[in-house]
Amino acid sequence: GAVVSQHPSWVICKSGTSVKIECRSLDFQATTMFWYRQFPKQSLMLMATSNEGSKATYEQGVEKDKFLINHASLTLSTLTVTSAHPEDSSFYICSATQTSNQPQHFGDGTRLSIL
Amino acid sequence: GEDVEQSLFLSVREGDSSVINCTYTDSSSTYLYWYKQEPGAGLQLLTYIFSNMDMKQDQRLTVLLNKKDKHLSLRIADTQTGDSAIYFCALGSMNTGFQKLVFGTGTRLLVSP
Repeated sequence: GAVVSQHPSWVICKSGTSVKIECRSLDFQATTMFWYRQFPKQSLMLMATSNEGSKATYEQGVEKDKFLINHASLTLSTLTVTSAHPEDSSFYICSATQTSNQPQHFGDGTRLSIL
Repeated sequence: GEDVEQSLFLSVREGDSSVINCTYTDSSSTYLYWYKQEPGAGLQLLTYIFSNMDMKQDQRLTVLLNKKDKHLSLRIADTQTGDSAIYFCALGSMNTGFQKLVFGTGTRLLVSP
């Protein structure tokens, strides 16, 4: 149980393109979803926390207009990287949790490469 | 704020036990997690413990918590080559409603045949 699916797993696109990443909880309802960014050989950096039906809460230094998050249902959250540039290239990982004292379950990540 | 530290690298031989260590600074009630990350993949939850517990065992995995020293360890018995990965210690504090996780830097475990 507690499976989180993330799609796509790998994206290569031109600079200036907007890219949407989906995160789905397959067998549970996720009241909260999280979006992380991971640079090579580094730990995870929390970008934002998303609650169903509410606006996402962004961490300091993360541009909300650059990284649009939508959490429209209890099983789906999306991250859209708008007008992506090479510096946005990274590994993006989502996680989901059913309640606050339950563990976060992670998707398999999306590798984004901007040319 | 909370801080979580781990050693960066551990190398063991197949069949040996591996012990991965983690220290943290949070003084409130916390959940403490161990996640495994294989190359190019997301994080897999291995096990977790609440800060009022001392130990948890799950098959080959044993978690020990020293609350006084704020030291957490993950022991993997009979380590296999498939256990080679990065292991992250993470902390979910009552101060943030247990929601936001603070991750350590990760320990890269290399298991040689």
